[in-house]
Amino acid sequence: GAGVSQSPSNKVTEKGKDVELRCDPISGHTALYWYRQSLGQGLEFLIYFQGNSAPDKSGLPSDRFSAERTGGSVSTLTIQRTQQEDSAVYLCASSRVGLVDSWGNQPQHFGDGTRLSIL
Amino acid sequence: SQQGEEDPQALSIQEGENATMNCSYKTSINNLQWYRQNSGRGLVHLILIRSNEREKHSGRLRVTLDTSKKSSSLLITASRAADTASYFCATDNYGGSQGNLIFGKGTKLSVKP
Repeated sequence: GAGVSQSPSNKVTEKGKDVELRCDPISGHTALYWYRQSLGQGLEFLIYFQGNSAPDKSGLPSDRFSAERTGGSVSTLTIQRTQQEDSAVYLCASSRVGLVDSWGNQPQHFGDGTRLSIL
Repeated sequence: SQQGEEDPQALSIQEGENATMNCSYKTSINNLQWYRQNSGRGLVHLILIRSNEREKHSGRLRVTLDTSKKSSSLLITASRAADTASYFCATDNYGGSQGNLIFGKGTKLSVKP
Protein backbone atom coordinates (compact mmCIF):
# COMPACT_ATOMS: atom_id res chain seq x y z
CA GLY A 1 0.00 0.00 0.00
CA ALA A 2 0.96 3.66 -0.20
CA GLY A 3 3.39 4.99 2.34
CA VAL A 4 3.46 8.33 4.11
CA SER A 5 3.38 11.13 1.57
CA GLN A 6 4.76 14.61 2.20
CA SER A 7 4.54 17.72 0.06
CA PRO A 8 6.26 19.71 -1.16
CA SER A 9 9.50 17.71 -1.23
CA ASN A 10 11.51 20.93 -1.37
CA LYS A 11 10.60 24.46 -0.42
CA VAL A 12 12.74 27.56 -0.75
CA THR A 13 11.33 30.78 0.60
CA GLU A 14 12.39 34.16 1.83
CA LYS A 15 12.77 35.02 5.49
CA GLY A 16 9.53 36.35 6.92
CA LYS A 17 7.21 34.37 4.62
CA ASP A 18 4.75 31.77 5.89
CA VAL A 19 5.04 28.14 4.76
CA GLU A 20 2.66 25.22 4.93
CA LEU A 21 3.85 21.62 4.86
CA ARG A 22 1.52 18.73 4.24
CA CYS A 23 1.53 15.11 5.40
CA ASP A 24 -0.69 12.26 4.20
CA PRO A 25 -0.33 9.36 6.64
CA ILE A 26 -0.83 5.71 5.85
CA SER A 27 -4.54 4.93 5.68
CA GLY A 28 -5.82 3.58 8.98
CA HIS A 29 -2.93 4.91 11.05
CA THR A 30 -4.34 6.82 14.01
CA ALA A 31 -1.09 8.33 15.25
CA LEU A 32 0.82 11.03 13.35
CA TYR A 33 4.11 12.70 14.28
CA TRP A 34 6.10 15.67 13.06
CA TYR A 35 9.88 15.80 13.55
CA ARG A 36 12.55 18.22 12.43
CA GLN A 37 16.03 17.15 11.32
CA SER A 38 18.82 19.68 10.98
CA LEU A 39 21.85 18.87 8.83
CA GLY A 40 23.73 15.87 10.18
CA GLN A 41 21.61 15.73 13.32
CA GLY A 42 19.10 13.41 14.86
CA LEU A 43 15.39 14.06 14.91
CA GLU A 44 13.80 16.73 17.07
CA PHE A 45 10.22 15.95 18.04
CA LEU A 46 7.68 18.68 17.25
CA ILE A 47 4.12 17.42 17.76
CA TYR A 48 2.05 14.25 17.98
CA PHE A 49 -1.58 13.61 17.00
CA GLN A 50 -3.52 10.64 18.32
CA GLY A 51 -6.79 10.19 16.43
CA ASN A 52 -8.99 13.27 16.80
CA SER A 53 -7.60 14.27 20.19
CA ALA A 54 -6.19 17.75 20.65
CA PRO A 55 -2.38 17.57 20.48
CA ASP A 56 0.08 18.67 23.12
CA LYS A 57 1.83 21.64 21.51
CA SER A 58 4.60 21.96 24.08
CA GLY A 59 7.21 20.44 21.73
CA LEU A 60 6.79 23.13 19.10
CA PRO A 61 9.91 25.37 19.09
CA SER A 62 8.04 28.68 19.03
CA ASP A 63 4.57 30.18 18.70
CA ARG A 64 5.31 30.69 15.00
CA PHE A 65 4.74 26.96 14.57
CA SER A 66 1.28 25.41 14.45
CA ALA A 67 -0.15 22.12 13.24
CA GLU A 68 -3.54 20.73 12.42
CA ARG A 69 -4.90 17.34 11.59
CA THR A 70 -8.22 17.36 9.79
CA GLY A 71 -10.60 14.43 10.11
CA GLY A 72 -7.96 12.32 11.80
CA SER A 73 -6.03 11.98 8.53
CA VAL A 74 -4.09 14.67 6.65
CA SER A 75 -1.94 17.03 8.70
CA THR A 76 -0.44 20.43 7.93
CA LEU A 77 2.46 22.07 9.72
CA THR A 78 2.50 25.84 9.34
CA ILE A 79 5.46 28.07 10.09
CA GLN A 80 4.71 31.79 10.18
CA ARG A 81 7.26 34.54 9.65
CA THR A 82 10.00 32.05 8.83
CA GLN A 83 13.51 32.56 10.14
CA GLN A 84 16.78 31.17 8.81
CA GLU A 85 17.06 28.82 11.78
CA ASP A 86 13.86 27.14 10.58
CA SER A 87 15.84 25.67 7.67
CA ALA A 88 15.76 21.89 8.10
CA VAL A 89 14.12 18.74 6.83
CA TYR A 90 10.64 18.31 8.28
CA LEU A 91 9.68 14.67 8.60
CA CYS A 92 6.24 13.24 9.17
CA ALA A 93 5.58 9.74 10.45
CA SER A 94 2.52 7.67 11.23
CA SER A 95 1.84 4.50 13.17
CA ARG A 96 -1.21 2.31 13.66
CA VAL A 97 -1.50 3.45 17.24
CA GLY A 98 0.57 5.79 19.34
CA LEU A 99 1.92 5.20 22.79
CA VAL A 100 0.58 1.93 24.13
CA ASP A 101 1.08 2.03 27.87
CA SER A 102 3.71 -0.43 29.02
CA TRP A 103 4.49 -1.61 25.50
CA GLY A 104 5.85 1.73 24.46
CA ASN A 105 5.81 3.01 20.93
CA GLN A 106 4.90 1.14 17.80
CA PRO A 107 7.21 1.27 14.75
CA GLN A 108 6.78 4.53 12.89
CA HIS A 109 6.56 4.88 9.13
CA PHE A 110 8.22 7.99 7.75
CA GLY A 111 7.71 10.09 4.67
CA ASP A 112 10.72 11.39 2.74
CA GLY A 113 10.33 14.81 4.30
CA THR A 114 10.14 18.40 3.13
CA ARG A 115 13.51 20.10 2.77
CA LEU A 116 12.88 23.71 3.82
CA SER A 117 15.41 26.40 3.01
CA ILE A 118 14.94 29.94 4.27
CA LEU A 119 16.95 32.55 2.38
CA SER B 1 16.64 16.61 24.28
CA GLN B 2 18.60 13.71 22.89
CA GLN B 3 18.07 10.41 24.64
CA GLY B 4 20.18 8.04 22.59
CA GLU B 5 23.81 8.58 21.73
CA GLU B 6 25.19 6.44 18.93
CA ASP B 7 28.78 5.42 18.74
CA PRO B 8 30.73 5.72 16.54
CA GLN B 9 29.49 8.83 14.73
CA ALA B 10 30.92 7.48 11.48
CA LEU B 11 32.07 4.03 10.38
CA SER B 12 33.74 3.01 7.13
CA ILE B 13 34.17 -0.68 6.25
CA GLN B 14 34.71 -2.94 3.27
CA GLU B 15 31.91 -4.99 1.74
CA GLY B 16 31.63 -8.36 3.47
CA GLU B 17 32.82 -7.08 6.85
CA ASN B 18 30.58 -6.80 9.89
CA ALA B 19 29.45 -3.40 11.19
CA THR B 20 28.70 -2.78 14.85
CA MET B 21 26.99 0.35 16.09
CA ASN B 22 26.28 1.17 19.70
CA CYS B 23 23.62 3.24 21.39
CA SER B 24 23.43 4.50 24.95
CA TYR B 25 20.39 6.07 26.55
CA LYS B 26 19.57 7.78 29.80
CA THR B 27 16.15 6.88 31.13
CA SER B 28 14.05 3.76 31.57
CA ILE B 29 12.46 2.41 28.42
CA ASN B 30 9.65 0.16 27.27
CA ASN B 31 11.36 -0.62 23.99
CA LEU B 32 14.19 0.49 21.75
CA GLN B 33 14.06 0.70 17.97
CA TRP B 34 16.66 0.99 15.22
CA TYR B 35 16.04 2.91 12.02
CA ARG B 36 18.00 3.39 8.80
CA GLN B 37 18.04 6.58 6.75
CA ASN B 38 19.38 6.72 3.22
CA SER B 39 20.58 10.10 2.02
CA GLY B 40 17.67 12.42 1.24
CA ARG B 41 15.05 9.94 2.36
CA GLY B 42 12.91 9.30 5.43
CA LEU B 43 13.69 6.79 8.14
CA VAL B 44 12.94 3.12 7.71
CA HIS B 45 12.16 0.95 10.73
CA LEU B 46 14.56 -1.99 11.07
CA ILE B 47 13.90 -3.71 14.34
CA LEU B 48 12.23 -3.24 17.74
CA ILE B 49 13.46 -4.84 20.93
CA ARG B 50 11.42 -4.78 24.12
CA SER B 51 12.89 -4.00 27.53
CA ASN B 52 12.44 -7.62 28.65
CA GLU B 53 14.37 -8.97 25.63
CA ARG B 54 18.14 -9.27 25.44
CA GLU B 55 18.73 -10.15 21.81
CA LYS B 56 16.79 -10.12 18.58
CA HIS B 57 17.61 -11.15 15.01
CA SER B 58 16.20 -10.10 11.68
CA GLY B 59 18.02 -11.36 8.58
CA ARG B 60 21.57 -9.98 8.71
CA LEU B 61 20.71 -7.75 11.67
CA ARG B 62 21.35 -8.61 15.29
CA VAL B 63 20.32 -6.28 18.09
CA THR B 64 21.24 -6.62 21.73
CA LEU B 65 19.87 -4.71 24.69
CA ASP B 66 21.41 -4.33 28.14
CA THR B 67 19.00 -2.38 30.31
CA SER B 68 21.39 -2.46 33.28
CA LYS B 69 23.93 -0.53 31.21
CA LYS B 70 21.27 1.39 29.29
CA SER B 71 22.86 0.39 26.02
CA SER B 72 22.06 -1.39 22.78
CA SER B 73 24.08 -2.55 19.81
CA LEU B 74 23.20 -3.15 16.18
CA LEU B 75 25.31 -5.65 14.25
CA ILE B 76 25.05 -5.90 10.48
CA THR B 77 26.76 -9.03 9.23
CA ALA B 78 28.28 -9.52 5.78
CA SER B 79 27.73 -5.88 4.90
CA ARG B 80 26.86 -4.74 1.39
CA ALA B 81 27.33 -1.43 -0.39
CA ALA B 82 23.54 -1.01 -0.18
CA ASP B 83 23.84 -0.89 3.63
CA THR B 84 25.48 2.52 3.30
CA ALA B 85 23.20 4.84 5.29
CA SER B 86 22.79 6.54 8.66
CA TYR B 87 21.53 4.39 11.49
CA PHE B 88 19.56 5.75 14.44
CA CYS B 89 18.45 4.25 17.70
CA ALA B 90 15.23 5.53 19.23
CA THR B 91 13.62 5.01 22.59
CA ASP B 92 10.06 5.57 23.63
CA ASN B 93 9.06 8.57 25.69
CA TYR B 94 8.88 6.51 28.87
CA GLY B 95 6.44 7.94 31.38
CA GLY B 96 5.61 10.83 29.09
CA SER B 97 2.26 11.73 27.70
CA GLN B 98 3.52 12.23 24.17
CA GLY B 99 3.81 9.35 21.75
CA ASN B 100 7.06 10.47 20.19
CA LEU B 101 10.26 8.52 19.86
CA ILE B 102 13.48 10.04 21.13
CA PHE B 103 16.31 9.71 18.62
CA GLY B 104 20.06 9.80 18.85
CA LYS B 105 22.24 11.65 16.35
CA GLY B 106 22.99 8.52 14.36
CA THR B 107 25.96 6.57 13.02
CA LYS B 108 26.90 7.21 9.40
CA LEU B 109 27.92 3.89 7.86
CA SER B 110 29.85 3.72 4.62
CA VAL B 111 30.35 0.30 3.02
CA LYS B 112 32.92 0.31 0.24
CA PRO B 113 32.60 -2.20 -2.59
